[in-house]
Amino acid sequence: DTGVSQDPRHKITKRGQNVTFRCDPISEHNRLYWYRQTLGQGPEFLTYFQNEAQLEKSRLLSDRFSAERPKGSFSTLEIQRTEQGDSAMYLCASSQGGTANTGELFFGEGSRLTVL
Amino acid sequence: GNSVTQMEGPVTLSEEAFLTINCTYTATGYPSLFWYVQYPGEGLQLLLKATKADDKGSNKGFEATYRKETTSFHLEKGSVQVSDSAVYFCALNYGGATNKLIFGTGTLLAVQP
Repeated sequence: DTGVSQDPRHKITKRGQNVTFRCDPISEHNRLYWYRQTLGQGPEFLTYFQNEAQLEKSRLLSDRFSAERPKGSFSTLEIQRTEQGDSAMYLCASSQGGTANTGELFFGEGSRLTVL
Repeated sequence: GNSVTQMEGPVTLSEEAFLTINCTYTATGYPSLFWYVQYPGEGLQLLLKATKADDKGSNKGFEATYRKETTSFHLEKGSVQVSDSAVYFCALNYGGATNKLIFGTGTLLAVQP
């Protein structure tokens, strides 16, 4: 399967702990996106990368959140000092840029975070 | 600002019934519009899209027409099946070539045999 994969699928942590999620995009996609989805809501944009460059961050992404894509392939999203309000599904998506851009995002199955 | 409003669910239908899920949007300019679907236990996947006014997107028997005059992109299917049971999200691309999407809150469709 060459789709977007995310790990772990589910993380339970205690308030104040740090967590890290990993996303492996579709290999030929140079763009990678992180979204957050809370219960009963649609996904909300957090940040996106083109290759290794983080080009935009939403104001939803507080300074406790950091995302990286060091070699332009996989990406990590780290949340420091987690709070109960961080409980959500974190979605990763990828797409092609440039002339191959169809406007479609390909989503992974998400990483569900529960902060106790 | 940009926003998407879609009808609240759940929507419960019998098999072979007609489906409409309403979606309206507010946007500057002329964004592309999308319907994504999330089947149980799976990730979001694109169902159909339309990139300009009066375009009709279609896939798997679903259709939606980009109506600029009513700022709407309603999803329709003539005869639903049990396998269509899922959450449907309307979305608009407000980032142009960057593909940043704003999603509606999603509508749960349950189709009963």
